[in-house]
Amino acid sequence: SQQGEEDPQALSIQEGENATMNCSYKTSINNLQWYRQNSGRGLVHLILIRSNEREKHSGRLRVTLDTSKKSSSLLITASRAADTASYFCATDPSGYSTLTFGKGTMLLVSP
Amino acid sequence: DTAVSQTPKYLVTQMGNDKSIKCEQNLGHDTMYWYKQDSKKFLKIMFSYNNKELIINETVPNRFSPKSPDKAHLNLHINSLELGDSAVYFCASSQKHRGSDEKLFFGSGTQLSVL
Repeated sequence: SQQGEEDPQALSIQEGENATMNCSYKTSINNLQWYRQNSGRGLVHLILIRSNEREKHSGRLRVTLDTSKKSSSLLITASRAADTASYFCATDPSGYSTLTFGKGTMLLVSP
Repeated sequence: DTAVSQTPKYLVTQMGNDKSIKCEQNLGHDTMYWYKQDSKKFLKIMFSYNNKELIINETVPNRFSPKSPDKAHLNLHINSLELGDSAVYFCASSQKHRGSDEKLFFGSGTQLSVL
């Protein structure tokens, strides 16, 4: 069954604004990962947060994890047109490195 | 050099045909995967191989047969193609299959259209 659910399904913002995407999941996890998919391309790993971590930063990315609510958020600050892509959260509930992905959030950043 | 490469990028075929998609990774990873992404972008695991051995088969029809001649290659053969097989198929790899903190490296996908 599907593990992660992102919301919103689609997000449209202007360059320079911040973009926040949320992910909820159902079972306990070892870690949660975020991936980006540009149109017509494969997914690219962005950031991983472990279940014992609450917040993590990488460049303009900030990820939070609330295991009590089984939710995570991805914040992209000072967005650029090049950030236009679909963003997916993924979890490994079984611990067998078989990531389960959500349906993604489509982010459109307009110049 | 492309880390995970899959061919072909596009595949258009008739119902009932048999087709193959090839995947190679040059990362030295032990584990490879096939994922299927449907028209709504939902990405679902199909198979996982660790060092040429099948680890996961997520209730995929028998018409789909993965083959791993060595740990750097994982090919996908599909028999008797059906309309519902139309999707984008992604190959991926990770360093190991057990343990936490494994991240996936994806190929650029094969868009399969069954007419």
